[in-house]
Formats: sequence, structure tokens, C-alpha cells
Amino acid sequence: AQSVTQPDIHITVSEGASLELRCNYSYGATPYLFWYVQSPGQGLQLLLKYFSGDTLVQGIKGFEAEFKRSQSSFNLRKPSVHWSDAAEYFCAVGAKGGATNKLIFGTGTLLAVQP
Amino acid sequence: EPEVTQTPSHQVTQMGQEVILRCVPISNHLYFYWYRQILGQKVEFLVSFYNNEISEKSEIFDDQFSVERPDGSNFTLKIRSTKLEDSAMYFCASSNPGGINLYEQYFGPGTRLTVT
Repeated sequence: AQSVTQPDIHITVSEGASLELRCNYSYGATPYLFWYVQSPGQGLQLLLKYFSGDTLVQGIKGFEAEFKRSQSSFNLRKPSVHWSDAAEYFCAVGAKGGATNKLIFGTGTLLAVQP
Repeated sequence: EPEVTQTPSHQVTQMGQEVILRCVPISNHLYFYWYRQILGQKVEFLVSFYNNEISEKSEIFDDQFSVERPDGSNFTLKIRSTKLEDSAMYFCASSNPGGINLYEQYFGPGTRLTVT
């Protein structure tokens, strides 16, 4: 069965510092991979997605993620964090080619940004 | 930019009562979903809906739950007799059919359901 692990429940970074949020997935074939962000009181906003091709994908708000098949990972990165990036980040996997199109989510990583 | 909307933003109900959560998906989308997130836990899939019928449902989606598209714009989730454990944030999402578009799901802001 597909699963997603986000090992870091809570991360604090200083404004201007770089950020990497970890995501590992379990799926037998090449998955579809997503990062969503949830700001307080808001819904889930799609940051970026990987379907195929170039393993480094660019998203909105200056985020990028790299798909590494050998490590079953899809880590989210940003070179310089802004205070407005404080939010909860969810990694999700879709079962490519399967009978289902549901998304499987990780437990999320709560990002705090300190001045 | 088109978006998914949900009403109400917060619903408080007593155990055993029926609730209906409402969603307006993006207008040209044809696949609709409900997910839920119990406080402190992961977002979980409940049900997907296409062509006026359920296409998939999870183990959570038992006989107490139902979904409906009563008109051309709304998509609803009904819980017939709420339990304390139904307290959660409920997210509606929509997408287009056809290959990878199916998986690019757009989520609403959620309805926080509190069962007392």
C-alpha cells in the first residue's frame, strides 16, 4: 500500500535561512508526488507536483522539490525563507496508473520562522 | 483564479444530529472528493465522486456518510448521526478527469466540525 512519511513534525528556521522539508514515500511504481501548504485558517494550496521527466520541479512562492527514486524521497526546499512561509506543509502521493486517484498524505511538518 | 469554496467554515453539533457540509467545486471540474483531518493527524481520503456516483470510498466512509451533487454547482457530504469521533476538519477537493489531471486536486478551505 502507498504511504508517505514526513519525519519532521516541527521545524524552526530563521528568516533568510535555507529550508529543506523531508518526505519519503512507499509505492511500487513511479508515483505522482505533491507538496501542499496550509496556512492557519486556510485550505490546502498546491505548491508543486511531480509527474514525470525532470526530477527537479519548481513550484510557487520560490519552492522546489527533487524526486530521488533511489531514496524514495521528494524533499521540499527553499533557499531563503520568509516569515510568510510559516505554515504546515504536507507531502502527498498519488497512485499513478492504479485504480484509484485518491491522494495519500503525510502527517505534515509545521514550519515556524523566527526573525 | 477559480477556487473551491466550502460552507460553513465551522459547524458545532450535538452527538446524534445530522450535519450537511457544503462545497462548491471549481466549475469545469468533474471529479469531486472529500477528505478529513482529525486534529493532529494526517489528511485522510473519504470518498471520490464522478458522473453522479461514488467512484471510490474508504473504510471510514460507512453507512453514516453520504454524498450528493444536488445541482450543477454544489457537492455535499452528509453525516446522518454524528459521533464524537467525527470531529475533524473536512476538506472538499475537485479535479478534472484524464490522466495526470485527475491527481491535481484543488482543495477548499475546509469545514471544522465539532461534535459535542
